[in-house]
Amino acid sequence: AQTVTQSQPEMSVQEAETVTLSCTYDTSESDYYLFWYKQPPSRQMILVIRQEAYKQQNATENRFSVNFQKAAKSFSLKISDSQLGDAAMYFCAYSPWSTSGTYKYIFGTGTRLKVLA
Amino acid sequence: GAGVSQSPSNKVTEKGKDVELRCDPISGHTALYWYRQSLGQGLEFLIYFQGNSAPDKSGLPSDRFSAERTGGSVSTLTIQRTQQEDSAVYLCASSLLIGVDYEQYFGPGTRLTVT
Repeated sequence: AQTVTQSQPEMSVQEAETVTLSCTYDTSESDYYLFWYKQPPSRQMILVIRQEAYKQQNATENRFSVNFQKAAKSFSLKISDSQLGDAAMYFCAYSPWSTSGTYKYIFGTGTRLKVLA
Repeated sequence: GAGVSQSPSNKVTEKGKDVELRCDPISGHTALYWYRQSLGQGLEFLIYFQGNSAPDKSGLPSDRFSAERTGGSVSTLTIQRTQQEDSAVYLCASSLLIGVDYEQYFGPGTRLTVT
């Protein structure tokens, strides 16, 4: 079965510092997508970054970058120059690649990030 | 353009009552998903609609849960004879299935409280 594990229920970071959130997953597929979603108190999930498994290069989006280790099945999120607005729940998600298009996501249990002023 | 909307935002119901939760996906999105987020848990997949294909109901926890999608647009998730363990945030998402666009856009969710 495909699973996603986030072993850090809560993390804290000082404003302007860097923090890394961990995610590991288990799959026998070779083609898949990985995502990090942010959920602020408003509850609306916002896509932060995504990674296609066939791409060697780690995805980056401004202050957000990932460290994708396919062999280790690890997908960590690094947030640089942390801002107060980064405080939220962060969910790691996995989606297998399907010829019919997208498919259901499998989510981890989330990491609550606190940003300290 | 408008995002995914859900109604109601919050719903309090008595144990044993039926509830209906509504989702309006982004116009033109062919796929629609329902997830459940229980307190302290991640998102749990419930059901998935793709165009006119039969829905993937593999995540529905019991036969008290059902969903439909009318006209390929609006979807309603119905929970019959609600139980306290049904209390959760129910999130809807939609995605555009053209090419390799896999992003799911989420609505703000409906917080269901069963008393």
